[in-house]
Amino acid sequence: QVQLQESGPGLVKPSETLSLTCSVSGYSISNDYYWGWIRQSPGKGLEWIGSIYHSGSTNYGPSLKSRVTISLDTSKNQFSLELTSVTAADTAVFYCVRTRSSVGYFDFWGRGTLVTVSS
Amino acid sequence: EIVLTQSPATLSLSPGERATLSCRASQSVSSYLAWYQQKPGQAPRLLIFDASNRATGIPARFSGSGSGTNFTLTISSLEPEDFAVYYCQQRSNWPGTFGLGTMLEIK
Repeated sequence: QVQLQESGPGLVKPSETLSLTCSVSGYSISNDYYWGWIRQSPGKGLEWIGSIYHSGSTNYGPSLKSRVTISLDTSKNQFSLELTSVTAADTAVFYCVRTRSSVGYFDFWGRGTLVTVSS
Repeated sequence: EIVLTQSPATLSLSPGERATLSCRASQSVSSYLAWYQQKPGQAPRLLIFDASNRATGIPARFSGSGSGTNFTLTISSLEPEDFAVYYCQQRSNWPGTFGLGTMLEIK
């Protein structure tokens, strides 16, 4: 069974960089699929942030594209999210997900991690 | 960007009743629509993909229908564990987008 687990700081200061890692078990991320991030906030609902293909190519959502980087670490079977210049509006629960295509459905999700942006 | 509008925002029903949830797209998404269930403190779970196909392990009481701009999720006979928030999501156009959800609560 595929399992995803997010990790990272729960509190980030405004203007700093939010960094999260997703550890995947039960499947090798270098084999296939897209691996991505979704966030959920009370004000904006569920928002797709971006995805990375097992080959390393990336695809980012339009609203965060200028501030987002997603990367793979196949040796650790992990992928990561970096979101720069955060503000309070970036406070959300962040989920790592698996999907079959660059614009796809999300069949496996991590449990989610709350990141609060505050000084 | 395609906007998905879900209705009603809240639906109050009793166990054993039939639930009908709606999702309307701002432009055609063909059949590229999914439904997710989210319970408090949990991640969303994929229920239905491509408008009418149940995901692995999803009970037969969940069914989806529709195409183009109008879609429906039907739960034929509500079980206590079905009370949750339901989201629709389209993958027809980049970027994929979600609706704001329908909360299904116990009456």
